Amino acid sequence: AQTVTQSQPEMSVQEAETVTLSCTYDTSESDYYLFWYKQPPSRQMILVIRQEAYKQQNATENRFSVNFQKAAKSFSLKISDSQLGDAAMYFCAYRSEGGNTPLVFGKGTRLSVIA
Amino acid sequence: NAGVMQNPRHLVRRRGQEARLRCSPMKGHSHVYWYRQLPEEGLKFMVYLQKENIIDESGMPKERFSAEFPKEGPSILRIQQVVRGDSAAYFCASSPMGPGYTFGSGTRLTVV
Repeated sequence: AQTVTQSQPEMSVQEAETVTLSCTYDTSESDYYLFWYKQPPSRQMILVIRQEAYKQQNATENRFSVNFQKAAKSFSLKISDSQLGDAAMYFCAYRSEGGNTPLVFGKGTRLSVIA
Repeated sequence: NAGVMQNPRHLVRRRGQEARLRCSPMKGHSHVYWYRQLPEEGLKFMVYLQKENIIDESGMPKERFSAEFPKEGPSILRIQQVVRGDSAAYFCASSPMGPGYTFGSGTRLTVV
């Protein structure tokens, strides 16, 4: 079974600075998807970014980018120019390729943004 | 497109009562997933349904929990004889074919 580990329960960053959230995963599969979700106090799960394992190029969405290291099974999220609205829980998630398979989540990292 | 609608947003039940959580998927989505989030935890998969079929219920507790997704109407997650340990946020997500998921805002169940 796949597992996802987020080793940083809490992180903080100064407004306008850059922060990196760590995620590692364990799988024997070669094709899969990786995701970062943001969960603000409203509880809504918001997709931040998605990476297909077969793509070597790291995904980028505006201020959010990932460092995907397939051999190391590492999938970190970098948030640049941090804003107060970035404060939230961030969850890393894994999904097998093929069919409609469920997501496997890490325990999350609580990000605080300091003005 | 209203997104994935879950109701109620908050639900309080006394121990031993039944809880019914509803999820209406996005228009055009025929796949529904239920997840549970305990305090300070990530979401844990419970069950995956298509219309009138349970595809994967490997994450469902064996007793007291059931789910359905009828031909007409929302998907229902039912918890019978609730206990304090059932207190959690329950999320529904829907998808078309493919990897894209859309989550609802969740139902927070509190058992008193």
